[in-house]
Amino acid sequence: ELKVEQNPLFLSMQEGKNYTIYCNYSTTSDRLYWYRQDPGKSLESLFVLLSNGAVKQEGRLMASLDTKARLSTLHITAAVHDLSATYFCAVAYSGGGADGLTFGKGTHLIIQP
Amino acid sequence: NAGVMQNPRHLVRRRGQEARLRCSPMKGHSHVYWYRQLPEEGLKFMVYLQKENIIDESGMPKERFSAEFPKEGPSILRIQQVVRGDSAAYFCASSPSSSRGTEAFFGQGTRLTVV
Repeated sequence: ELKVEQNPLFLSMQEGKNYTIYCNYSTTSDRLYWYRQDPGKSLESLFVLLSNGAVKQEGRLMASLDTKARLSTLHITAAVHDLSATYFCAVAYSGGGADGLTFGKGTHLIIQP
Repeated sequence: NAGVMQNPRHLVRRRGQEARLRCSPMKGHSHVYWYRQLPEEGLKFMVYLQKENIIDESGMPKERFSAEFPKEGPSILRIQQVVRGDSAAYFCASSPSSSRGTEAFFGQGTRLTVV
């Protein structure tokens, strides 16, 4: 059974600081997704990472994937209040196909002015 | 191009009633996924459907839950004889294909409350 663990589960930080969210998974996978969810809202896709060493950046967020370590990171640079949300990583089984994803429990991020 | 549309957004049912949740995928998408989210938890995969076919229902409870995606019309997640533990947010996602790297887009969710 594929397990996905995120840490930390809760993070409170100040604007302007940098921080990293970690996502570990238990079995081989070649697809990892990062999503953002605001309270009471749906999931917004942030990044799709498909290969070992993949790095993607959008604004103040940067995601990377190390398939050998089964680890992905989401790095936040110079955080701003608007980034406050819950961030989920989700992993698919290897073998191709847009099959069901296994999600981590999410990281609740609060960025204080 | 409208996104994934789910309705209703909120649904209240008494214990023992039936709940029917609808999901219209994005235009051109023929793959639909249902997920359940409990408070303060991540999403749990329930079922993956293509038109008229259930591809993977490994996450569906064995009893009371069923899903369909007919040739015409939305996908339906049906919960019979609801219990309090069924209270959750149910999200639907759709994708255009099953190719590697295909991204799934999520709907707004249906928040089911069983009283």
